[in-house]
Amino acid sequence: DVKVTQSSRYLVKRTGEKVFLECVQDMDHENMFWYRQDPGLGLRLIYFSYDVKMKEKGDIPEGYSVSREKKERFSLILESASTNQTSMYLCASSLWQGSNQPQHFGDGTRLSIL
Amino acid sequence: AQSVAQPEDQVNVAEGNPLTVKCTYSVSGNPYLFWYVQYPNRGLQFLLKYITGDNLVKGSYGFEAEFNKSQTSFHLKKPSALVSDSALYFCAVRDAGNTPLVFGKGTRLSVIA
Repeated sequence: DVKVTQSSRYLVKRTGEKVFLECVQDMDHENMFWYRQDPGLGLRLIYFSYDVKMKEKGDIPEGYSVSREKKERFSLILESASTNQTSMYLCASSLWQGSNQPQHFGDGTRLSIL
Repeated sequence: AQSVAQPEDQVNVAEGNPLTVKCTYSVSGNPYLFWYVQYPNRGLQFLLKYITGDNLVKGSYGFEAEFNKSQTSFHLKKPSALVSDSALYFCAVRDAGNTPLVFGKGTRLSVIA
């Protein structure tokens, strides 16, 4: 089974801090994704990556950046955390091989910015 | 642009009754459709997908979904609901190509004993 591991289940940080959320997958997937989930808004795509050192903006990239130095690891960075970035963050991965591949999700990181 | 609508925020059903969670979609090409389930404080779990072929797709935990091209719908169904089916359900779509899934806002299913 595919395993997508997010380093923290719960995280509390302060406004203005630089925050790192880490995600690792163990199935040699090319694609990796970061979403945030908010009540009533569903899942919104922040960034995604098709390969090492590649990144693409999603629907809501403002205030975030990403890093993919190794194939199995995709990091989300909040450059200067703000209270409106309090949310559930979900990482996902999938094979590159086209449209029929599902995305596999980690258990999420619930981030609170105080 | 691709989009997904889940018209019901909440669906309530009695245990043992059939359940339906609705989803409609919009894509420019052929749709590739997915259903996911999310239990409290967990990530999304893949349930089933429609790529091509038979319009009735069977998935995990006894769930199935019916693809209807003319109505651009992909409703999730189960013949007999269990209390343990209570969760948040997401429909997702992409068109041809290696693009991220686009998700609906989710439907909360409550199965009452």
